[in-house]
Amino acid sequence: SQQGEEDPQALSIQEGENATMNCSYKTSINNLQWYRQNSGRGLVHLILIRSNEREKHSGRLRVTLDTSKKSSSLLITASRAADTASYFCATDAKGGSYIPTFGRGTSLIVHP
Amino acid sequence: DGGITQSPKYLFRKEGQNVTLSCEQNLNHDAMYWYRQDPGQGLRLIYYSQIVNDFQKGDIAEGYSVSREKKESFPLTVTSAQKNPTAFYLCASTILANTGELFFGEGSRLTVL
Repeated sequence: SQQGEEDPQALSIQEGENATMNCSYKTSINNLQWYRQNSGRGLVHLILIRSNEREKHSGRLRVTLDTSKKSSSLLITASRAADTASYFCATDAKGGSYIPTFGRGTSLIVHP
Repeated sequence: DGGITQSPKYLFRKEGQNVTLSCEQNLNHDAMYWYRQDPGQGLRLIYYSQIVNDFQKGDIAEGYSVSREKKESFPLTVTSAQKNPTAFYLCASTILANTGELFFGEGSRLTVL
């Protein structure tokens, strides 16, 4: 079963604009992560936010977590054509083995 | 360089054949995972292993088998019992104590002819 679901499924913007992607999940989590995937490649880790954190920054990335709404958002500021990729959230449910569960992803296209 | 290596990158299989996808890591990670990716469906967990000689089924284990004889290696066999094996397969690893990021290989694309 897929724990996290990203929204929107696809996003098309111009270079310089901000891109916002959302992730909703169903059960309590230990942490939430965002990954990036270029077409035909493996996933690359972007940022991890733990359940007791509300916001994290890394360069042009800003992630928020609202555990009461079971949702997270990823903001990419001042987007570049090189940001074109698919973005996935992964959640680790509380209890049991460490099994990150991925959503279906958001496909981002940044037009030069 | 440390990392996780998958091979082959592309593989073609005839119906009825078993194929094995290799996954090797030199990161000294405890846990290893196999995910399957289909268009529009994200990543689905096939098998995972947290310790040598032990592994657990994920959500879609039917038609697949794995082994974990060495910490560094976690090969996946796609058997003839897997009815729709054409997909992109991703291997990942992590340090369990950190319960943090997964490190992914570059993937193996399997096509059934």
